[in-house]
Amino acid sequence: DTEVTQTPKHLVMGMTNKKSLKCEQHMGHRAMYWYKQKAKKPPELMFVYSYEKLSINESVPSRFSPECPNSSLLNLHLHALQPEDSALYLCASSQDWGGVREKLFFGSGTQLSVL
Amino acid sequence: KQEVTQIPAALSVPEGENLVLNCSFTDSAIYNLQWFRQDPGKGLTSLLLIQSSQREQTSGRLNASLDKSSGRSTLYIAASQPGDSATYLCAVSLSGSARQLTFGSGTQLTVLP
Repeated sequence: DTEVTQTPKHLVMGMTNKKSLKCEQHMGHRAMYWYKQKAKKPPELMFVYSYEKLSINESVPSRFSPECPNSSLLNLHLHALQPEDSALYLCASSQDWGGVREKLFFGSGTQLSVL
Repeated sequence: KQEVTQIPAALSVPEGENLVLNCSFTDSAIYNLQWFRQDPGKGLTSLLLIQSSQREQTSGRLNASLDKSSGRSTLYIAASQPGDSATYLCAVSLSGSARQLTFGSGTQLTVLP
């Protein structure tokens, strides 16, 4: 199984809503990532979890709250978002051994629209 | 700060053509470089990874080359097909870790039937 599964595929939410994005992998990878991608732009790293601990937070606003319940699951909790937060949110995973051949595996993303 | 540039931003070719996509980076002290493919509204799929000690990698109709000293990589696609239409992004790692990739903005490729 070489898949990273993200749900939901699409999400529309109001600025007062609370929602969560979910990500799952069963490749035994120990690092999991959240990226944000605007149209025609490269992905921007938001958070990295390594061995279930938050290791990188790229100064992301607190309205985005990540959670890693176990090594296979990654959540992104959303609250009081702004319309400019509308984007494709991508989850990724890697083995996290730091080798020169370490690859990232991406999910298909959640297309988020904030109204 | 590492900067990665991909030119052109968009490319349109007739089916069957061989083509080259370009990626340039400012800091040559990289550990590896990856090429990804992204279909509209979808995630990224890793195509090829070239280690800093390598000159090229091949997978099927794809060949990626790396010239660290000049800060350049190319992705060669042979005998292009409409199914190759997608955005192709390159990303470099300065640390060897997948945590610290710097992505280019991508080249949007359209292969016309």
